[in-house]
Order: sequence, then structure tokens, then C-alpha cells
Amino acid sequence: GAVVSQHPSWVICKSGTSVKIECRSLDFQATTMFWYRQFPKQSLMLMATSNEGSKATYEQGVEKDKFLINHASLTLSTLTVTSAHPEDSSFYICSARPILGTRQETQYFGPGTRLLVL
Amino acid sequence: GNSVTQMEGPVTLSEEAFLTINCTYTATGYPSLFWYVQYPGEGLQLLLKATKADDKGSNKGFEATYRKETTSFHLEKGSVQVSDSAVYFCALSVYLSQFYFGTGTSLTVIP
Repeated sequence: GAVVSQHPSWVICKSGTSVKIECRSLDFQATTMFWYRQFPKQSLMLMATSNEGSKATYEQGVEKDKFLINHASLTLSTLTVTSAHPEDSSFYICSARPILGTRQETQYFGPGTRLLVL
Repeated sequence: GNSVTQMEGPVTLSEEAFLTINCTYTATGYPSLFWYVQYPGEGLQLLLKATKADDKGSNKGFEATYRKETTSFHLEKGSVQVSDSAVYFCALSVYLSQFYFGTGTSLTVIP
């Protein structure tokens, strides 16, 4: 149980294009999902907290107009990197917190999406 | 504030050696503590957790005890295997808030 999927697993795009990454909780509902960015050999950097039905909360220094987050349902959150540039190349990881039960204090992570912007 | 400090890596051990990865934390309130493992090219997997003082989390031979008096949550395994090679992250969460991660410790186990 507690499986989170991400799609796509990797993507290569041209500079200036937009890329959408989906994060789904497959066997549980999540009112809260989180988006992280991870640079090579570094820890995870929280980008934003996504709450179902409301606007995402962005961490300081993260451009909300560049990284659009939509949390349309209790099992789906999307991150759109708009007008991507090479410096946006990174490993993006989402996580989801179960809505109910004893697992609520735990976040379950997706497998990550590797983005390469040429 | 909330933060996690992990021992610097990388760590290289021979198979069947004893593993300790140190983790200490600072937190406002009463945190839950976690260890996550990341295999190459993959996302993070929950390894174990503890939600209150003196709790011991365990999984796959790994153990960690929530020590409030020393604000620590050190990860241990008695006999590591090559398949344990990965990056290990210590993390905390307070009152269902965001997670705070350590910098990660890379472990390589050689046959």
C-alpha cells in the first residue's frame, strides 16, 4: 500500500517549452502533496506544498509563475515547468500525505521525474 | 527552528560490517522522525520511523531509536549487504507539517 506514481519518469525538452509532471497517489487519498527538487548528490529542496482545492504554498525563492502547481483531486497533483530553461534541469520528486489514519504523519514519495532542458 | 544534521559521507564498508549513520535534530514541538533510503535513479522509500521518544523503528535489519535526551535518531544495522548501497536521509516532521531532511549519507558496501 501507499504507492505514489509520477509521470513521466524522464523528459527531455527544448528551452522555452513547458513540461507537465503528474503525481498520483494510487491507493490512498491525499489532501496534501509536496513537490521537491533534488540536485545531483544533494538533499531534497521543498518547492511547494499543494493542497487539494486551494492554491499551492511556495517556499521562499521558488517562482510560482514558473512552477505552476494544480491539485485538482485527492489523488492527483501536477507540476508544470513553464518556459523551461537549462537551469531547470533537475530531478523532481513529489510526495503525498494520506488523508486519514495512522499513516498520516508519513509522506510517501514518487519515483521522481528527471527533466533535461536542452 | 526545525533542522536535521546527518553525518557526512560517503561511507564505504565491507559486506557484513556494522553500520551506524548519525542523525541529530532540532525541533519546535514533538517531531516524528524518519529514515528514507534512495537507490540510484529512484525516489525515496520509507525505511523506518518513530513518532515519540524511546520508540524504536525497525525494518529490513535496520534500527533507529528516538532519543529525546540527546535529540538523536541514529541508524544502525548489524551486518550490511551489497544491496544496502544507497543514499540514506534522516528527516523530521512536526505536527503534520513539511518534512525537514538531512543532507543524505551515501553508503557503498563492497563484497
